[in-house]
Amino acid sequence: AQSVAQPEDQVNVAEGNPLTVKCTYSVSGNPYLFWYVQYPNRGLQFLLKYITGDNLVKGSYGFEAEFNKSQTSFHLKKPSALVSDSALYFCAVRGSHSGNTPLVFGKGTRLSVIA
Amino acid sequence: GAVVSQHPSWVICKSGTSVKIECRSLDFQATTMFWYRQFPKQSLMLMATSNEGSKATYEQGVEKDKFLINHASLTLSTLTVTSAHPEDSSFYICSAREDTRSNSPLHFGNGTRLTVT
Repeated sequence: AQSVAQPEDQVNVAEGNPLTVKCTYSVSGNPYLFWYVQYPNRGLQFLLKYITGDNLVKGSYGFEAEFNKSQTSFHLKKPSALVSDSALYFCAVRGSHSGNTPLVFGKGTRLSVIA
Repeated sequence: GAVVSQHPSWVICKSGTSVKIECRSLDFQATTMFWYRQFPKQSLMLMATSNEGSKATYEQGVEKDKFLINHASLTLSTLTVTSAHPEDSSFYICSAREDTRSNSPLHFGNGTRLTVT
């Protein structure tokens, strides 16, 4: 069975500081990992994905994520947070052999960037 | 990039009435669409997988007679909340994938805020 854990409900960071939003996963086979962001009363927007290759993946709005196979983690990072980054962030996973099955999402982490 | 359009963005209805929510893939064909429900401050709950030309696959605990899903074309899926009650008030989001490969991301509509009075 596939699962995703986002251990933090809320992450607070000062503007200009680096931010990390944690995600660990469990999946059969090789994982395909995704990060999405949700602004209030909106759908989810795709940020980045890891499929294969370089463990450090760069995505939209200056975000990046590092795939760590031994720790089964895919933490989202940004070197310098902006107030506009405040939103709800979801990590998601699908196994490489899962075909067209739905993504499995974490419960979400609310990021609050304080000016 | 791929765009998924969801309509309406918000709706208020009276208890006992039915509400239809549309989800369209604007620049790609989607044989499969996914419907999610999101409660305040909570994660997404997958309700059902909508398959073009066939019956939807519902997740455990989701009433298929209450949440009717129709996927009549490759670009349109609809979710009808029948005989709505206040407890059905929620944020409903649809999503679709440009292709069926496992590594392609989902594209989400902007969601529909349903309030049942």
